[in-house]
Amino acid sequence: DQQVKQNSPSLSVQEGRISILNCDYTNSMFDYFLWYKKYPAEGPTFLISISSIKDKNEDGRFTVFLNKSAKHLSLHIVPSQPGDSAVYFCAAVGSGNTPLVFGKGTRLSVIA
Amino acid sequence: DTAVSQTPKYLVTQMGNDKSIKCEQNLGHDTMYWYKQDSKKFLKIMFSYNNKELIINETVPNRFSPKSPDKAHLNLHINSLELGDSAVYFCASSQLFGGSGNTIYFGEGSWLTVV
Repeated sequence: DQQVKQNSPSLSVQEGRISILNCDYTNSMFDYFLWYKKYPAEGPTFLISISSIKDKNEDGRFTVFLNKSAKHLSLHIVPSQPGDSAVYFCAAVGSGNTPLVFGKGTRLSVIA
Repeated sequence: DTAVSQTPKYLVTQMGNDKSIKCEQNLGHDTMYWYKQDSKKFLKIMFSYNNKELIINETVPNRFSPKSPDKAHLNLHINSLELGDSAVYFCASSQLFGGSGNTIYFGEGSWLTVV
């Protein structure tokens, strides 16, 4: 049973435009959410996170939005750059001794 | 200076062999993990150690045995390798185990191919 779902396996965006990557979760006990970026032949790299007490967190070109009632979060990248082309993983964790749960990832291609 | 490093990066071996993947972190974290990314691209946790103690063992065959000689190291030993063990194995670490604010940092991955 997938507790974290990224329903779009891939996304193509033109350079300079906004990239929006979506993530849905089913476990209402999750209270901390993270986005990781992964280049080929490398490990996932932490990008940005958000706690359930917030609905928005911004870091430069990256903004994560959390809609708890819809159990949905999204990552916005603006403006998108070719170097942003990678696989983006959404992840979630609850309090206590629970492990981080990952989505399947969305491959973003930013076209120059 | 790599924070989480694992070796080897690539490993091709025959069925039935025994192999180990080593992992070291220099972040001073208390918790280390092994994740597996299979052919379907899911990243799934296999093991977690906190202060050298096993915290999580996620229904992994007994052929997989983690060993943590100290907080900075978590090695993965695999006995009697099978074709289905072919995957990318990621080592990771975090300051705490679970909970809000706990960010996990990953190594570069070890690509295991069993032939």
